[in-house]
Amino acid sequence: DAMVIQNPRYQVTQFGKPVTLSCSQTLNHNVMYWYQQKSSQAPKLLFHYYDKDFNNEADTPDNFQSRRPNTSFCFLDIRSPGLGDAAMYLCATSRDERSQYFGPGTRLLVL
Amino acid sequence: AQSVTQPDIHITVSEGASLELRCNYSYGATPYLFWYVQSPGQGLQLLLKYFSGDTLVQGIKGFEAEFKRSQSSFNLRKPSVHWSDAAEYFCAVGSTSGTYKYIFGTGTRLKVLA
Repeated sequence: DAMVIQNPRYQVTQFGKPVTLSCSQTLNHNVMYWYQQKSSQAPKLLFHYYDKDFNNEADTPDNFQSRRPNTSFCFLDIRSPGLGDAAMYLCATSRDERSQYFGPGTRLLVL
Repeated sequence: AQSVTQPDIHITVSEGASLELRCNYSYGATPYLFWYVQSPGQGLQLLLKYFSGDTLVQGIKGFEAEFKRSQSSFNLRKPSVHWSDAAEYFCAVGSTSGTYKYIFGTGTRLKVLA
């Protein structure tokens, strides 16, 4: 019954080594989101896709990129992770403005 | 500017006691309003939502929330808290203008004493 799936749940990477986080959904929703959440903080929207239309938040660093090859999958690429990028990364989906469904998150550790 | 305020960073209640978590918002019109719960190391789970109509909405796990337009508030309540309710609670405002984006409050961490 999993609806929004994130892999892996935990990711360890080295400072400066590119890393990719993945998200898939079985809901067939048009919209997919990536959030960054640091400890004891609210989720911060990085970007979202409406179908293939990419919408970047103004304050999202260039170090963060995303790909959505099809409706079901969305990837978050961090080109050169820094220590400050260690966080929980949450993927969410929606079909309209009335609900967002979140995955379990991927916790990223940067060594 | 749109914003969401959760004035209480931490709340501690005894098991069986009642609970109210506060949420105030700033938005040009009546927004879509949500409460989410997050257990440690987990994603966000939707507790309840308000779009229009009856201002008292029921959610999962025995939670309810009341929309008060005059106070720009959407407070979350539960009559009797269980130890498993210990978690972080986020209030969110959703756009009604087609941007598909939410604004989250900073969260309230609930601790439940046995």
